[in-house]
Amino acid sequence: EAGVTQFPSHSVIEKGQTVTLRCDPISGHDNLYWYRRVMGKEIKFLLHFVKESKQDESGMPNNRFLAERTGGTYSTLKVQPAELEDSGVYFCASSQDETDSYNEQFFGPGTRLTVL
Amino acid sequence: RKEVEQDPGPFNVPEGATVAFNCTYSNSASQSFFWYRQDCRKEPKLLMSVYSSGNEDGRFTAQLNRASQYISLLIRDSKLSDSATYLCVVNTNSGYSTLTFGKGTMLLVSP
Repeated sequence: EAGVTQFPSHSVIEKGQTVTLRCDPISGHDNLYWYRRVMGKEIKFLLHFVKESKQDESGMPNNRFLAERTGGTYSTLKVQPAELEDSGVYFCASSQDETDSYNEQFFGPGTRLTVL
Repeated sequence: RKEVEQDPGPFNVPEGATVAFNCTYSNSASQSFFWYRQDCRKEPKLLMSVYSSGNEDGRFTAQLNRASQYISLLIRDSKLSDSATYLCVVNTNSGYSTLTFGKGTMLLVSP
């Protein structure tokens, strides 16, 4: 079974440009999460989808970030316009059953974003 | 105060050593607890869930003390392949899984 996949693996853009990150969760996983690790800091939660609905977006840094999950399958995270502080590794994760708080989240390999 | 705090590390140990990782969390309402392992420039992967009764998986033992809000991970008979960053992770959301990560402790096992 394929794991969580993310595209691109790396992205280098200039300040002010737009970047769109994509995440394909494990097939059948209704829950999809975005996390981010900024250099020198811990991994931080950004938002959580249940199917196509945003369950929790409390971690989104500001309105330059827009996440979508049309059709409840893959998700995109768009940063527009990108700022220097947006540089970091963006991880996507998916899980199956949210009724169990010990339900495992499976992480994708991440997208390393560098804003120059 | 950070929500999840870990030993800063790195820990440098010889093969065969026993190494202990400590973690504290600030939210007493936290629901579930995990240790994840992250290899260099890779994604985090679940190593162990941590239950109140404590649990063991081969060379790995995890303990949870809810009263002290403290989590530990013990690795016995360290292998070179154990070299990685160990992340203490807490689910602080009672409704859904919102994972809160510690900064991680790097372990380097040398021959």
